[in-house]
Amino acid sequence: AQSVTQLDSQVPVFEEAPVELRCNYSSSVSVYLFWYVQYPNQGLQLLLKYLSGSTLVESINGFEAEFNKSQTSFHLRKPSVHISDTAEYFCAVGGGFKTIFGAGTRLFVKA
Amino acid sequence: KAGVTQTPRYLIKTRGQQVTLSCSPISGHRSVSWYQQTPGQGLQFLFEYFSETQRNKGNFPGRFSGRQFSNSRSEMNVSTLELGDSALYLCASSLGSSGRNNEQFFGPGTRLTVL
Repeated sequence: AQSVTQLDSQVPVFEEAPVELRCNYSSSVSVYLFWYVQYPNQGLQLLLKYLSGSTLVESINGFEAEFNKSQTSFHLRKPSVHISDTAEYFCAVGGGFKTIFGAGTRLFVKA
Repeated sequence: KAGVTQTPRYLIKTRGQQVTLSCSPISGHRSVSWYQQTPGQGLQFLFEYFSETQRNKGNFPGRFSGRQFSNSRSEMNVSTLELGDSALYLCASSLGSSGRNNEQFFGPGTRLTVL
């Protein structure tokens, strides 16, 4: 069985500051790891995904996530956030004909 | 290419009634998954259908059911509605099973309110 734990329900941060959104997972099958983002009043969309190979995955808008097998983590980071990054971020793990999502982390970027 | 569409967008029902929600996936996508989204709970997996077969089911009571048609369109049904069923129901489609390395594309959801 799979499970996902997002350790922070809300993360407030000032603009241009770095941010880390934490995600831990457990799975008894091969894992595929994802981060999805839901901007205010919009649907969920894929931010990035880990399949295999390099443990560091990058997205086109400056976010990156690092797969750590020994710690079963897939934390999301950005070195400098913008107001437009304000959204809810969901970590997800796929395996066994289903994808399990975490409870989400609300990122608030303040000016 | 058209995105995932869900109908209706909003529903208000009373306890004890039943409801059917519809999802049309992106053309060519054979997998449809359903999720229940509530504040603080994130997305709870309901079930996944692939080529008209239910591949997996989440931890929901039997009042929640679904099906997929030959054109990949999917419906989910909730019978004997309870107040706790009030939520945003999301449908997502993907080329292959969501349980592998396939990106899921989400619809806007159906907001169900049970009074």
